[in-house]
Amino acid sequence: EAGVAQSPRYKIIEKRQSVAFWCNPISGHATLYWYQQILGQGPKLLIQFQNNGVVDDSQLPKDRFSAERLKGVDSTLKIQPAKLEDSAVYLCASSLNGGNSYEQYFGPGTRLTVT
Amino acid sequence: GNSVTQMEGPVTLSEEAFLTINCTYTATGYPSLFWYVQYPGEGLQLLLKATKADDKGSNKGFEATYRKETTSFHLEKGSVQVSDSAVYFCALINLQTGANNLFFGTGTRLTVIP
Repeated sequence: EAGVAQSPRYKIIEKRQSVAFWCNPISGHATLYWYQQILGQGPKLLIQFQNNGVVDDSQLPKDRFSAERLKGVDSTLKIQPAKLEDSAVYLCASSLNGGNSYEQYFGPGTRLTVT
Repeated sequence: GNSVTQMEGPVTLSEEAFLTINCTYTATGYPSLFWYVQYPGEGLQLLLKATKADDKGSNKGFEATYRKETTSFHLEKGSVQVSDSAVYFCALINLQTGANNLFFGTGTRLTVIP
């Protein structure tokens, strides 16, 4: 079974530029999550999708971050314009959400450096 | 609210030493508890889980017991190996609050030396 795919793996941009990350979840997984992991901290949820609908985006800085999950499969997360404090690893995860199966599977992450 | 507090690192141990990484949580009701591991250059992987009080999760020689009375889920291994060097994250999901996202601790970096 293929895992969660993310691209790019690394990205360096200057502040005020824009950037986009892509995630392809495990086939059949209804729920998709984007987490932000700042160096030295645990991951924090940015947004959660159930199929193509948003379940929770309360922690997403909506003035600069946006995300979509068209057709309920893959997803993109965009930052525009980027700030220095956005430097982090962006993790995508998916889960089946069938019955009691809320186990989340994580992709390798995209490491963003904003200079 | 939901939160996890785990032992500050880094932790350095010799091979075959005993490992304990402390984790305590704050949550209403009965969350499910997890330990995730992040090996160098890789994504987060589920190591073990426990979904109710007194459950013991185990995998790869690691164990953790869900202690409701002390709100703890400490990770233990009797004899660590160099290959166990990684960052370990304690986390919870609290379905009773309607959220099924993970709340993570800050992570503990373990280095095992030969």
